Amino acid sequence: GQQLNQSPQSMFIQEGEDVSMNCTSSSIFNTWLWYKQDPGEGPVLLIALYKAGELTSNGRLTAQFGITRKDSFLNISASIPSDVGIYFCAGLFSGGYQKVTFGTGTKLQVIP
Amino acid sequence: NAGVMQNPRHLVRRRGQEARLRCSPMKGHSHVYWYRQLPEEGLKFMVYLQKENIIDESGMPKERFSAEFPKEGPSILRIQQVVRGDSAAYFCASSPQQLQGPYGYTFGSGTRLTVV
Repeated sequence: GQQLNQSPQSMFIQEGEDVSMNCTSSSIFNTWLWYKQDPGEGPVLLIALYKAGELTSNGRLTAQFGITRKDSFLNISASIPSDVGIYFCAGLFSGGYQKVTFGTGTKLQVIP
Repeated sequence: NAGVMQNPRHLVRRRGQEARLRCSPMKGHSHVYWYRQLPEEGLKFMVYLQKENIIDESGMPKERFSAEFPKEGPSILRIQQVVRGDSAAYFCASSPQQLQGPYGYTFGSGTRLTVV
């Protein structure tokens, strides 16, 4: 089946620093999604990407849809304590119906 | 303006008992998806249902697990004869009949099942 690998698995950063994480797939997707999961809650959609090469921002978050359609990147600028959580990439290939495949997650800790 | 409602939030079962997890989709949503998240892992797709139909159950374990989404009422994920390895967070997501991209794919807060 499809697999999405995220890196790094976890990271500790100082408040104010920028963060980068990425996601690679064994197969292509035509939509990439980035979700954030707070402790004890369900994932919440942050950014959706629909075209290879697309770069999209949502506040301090910027994500890119890789040219090969097999990878995506998420950057968080000027991190703040509430950025703490687990970030999941997810891929979607619209064929018949939309089943979302999730990555393994990047756990982010921000040190004030 | 209720989102996807899952209950209970926490469920404790002894080995061998049955667990029933409920999911009420967002108003106007007729598609339901169940995912399982083991501790320190990502979300794994289990099953996709529309009203009265199972569309894709490729992620469901072959035994003890079943899901339904009746014409009336919530979607139910049922686990019979639970074992310790079933301990996980189970998330439900829903989407509208005419899914307009991933914005319509909304998750509930999950049910955390602990098997003792």
